[in-house]
Amino acid sequence: SAVISQKPSRDICQRGTSLTIQCQVDSQVTMMFWYRQQPGQSLTLIATANQGSEATYESGFVIDKFPISRPNLTFSTLTVSNMSPEDSSIYLCSVADRGPLNTEAFFGQGTRLTVV
Amino acid sequence: AQKITQTQPGMFVQEKEAVTLDCTYDTSDPSYGLFWYKQPSSGEMIFLIYQGSYDQQNATEGRYSLNFQKARKSANLVISASQLGDSAMYFCAMREVNTGGFKTIFGAGTRLFVKA
Repeated sequence: SAVISQKPSRDICQRGTSLTIQCQVDSQVTMMFWYRQQPGQSLTLIATANQGSEATYESGFVIDKFPISRPNLTFSTLTVSNMSPEDSSIYLCSVADRGPLNTEAFFGQGTRLTVV
Repeated sequence: AQKITQTQPGMFVQEKEAVTLDCTYDTSDPSYGLFWYKQPSSGEMIFLIYQGSYDQQNATEGRYSLNFQKARKSANLVISASQLGDSAMYFCAMREVNTGGFKTIFGAGTRLFVKA
């Protein structure tokens, strides 16, 4: 199973600033995803991080607000830009391999972001 | 349209009894996987059980079993002999292989309370 290190684990940020979240995996993985979990809500997929090309964003999420990088098969970053209190959420990195269908998705511990 | 529907926002169960958490899904992809995750108050996502669309038998993992009814598009989680440590949020999720880009989509979740 993949081990995912996500940093920072939590942060309190001022509105209008940006925060970059890092996701490091201990092995090469095909797929990396970023999710947002707003307070009391389920996980919503923000985007698929593609190695060497632009991320694929889900409806309602845009690159200017959530720029994503994926320079190699073990690392990705998500930036939350120009933050507002509505961005206060848990952000989770997830990885999966395009292999057998029953490959579970592994999750990092999440980044608890509070915007004040 | 909702891909994954969990209609029970909260459920109560007496310790040592069994409980069923409901999940229905919607897809036209013949190849898909269904997952259940547990999220305790710590926030981590814990994989519980998997069912593939082509699997003939219902999946079981220890005290967890998945009641898969393909024609009804339901994938209910059954927890037998509930324990106090089972109190958590439970998410049903689906991955569509051909149409979903291997990303995992989550339901709204069910909060389970186990009573002593």
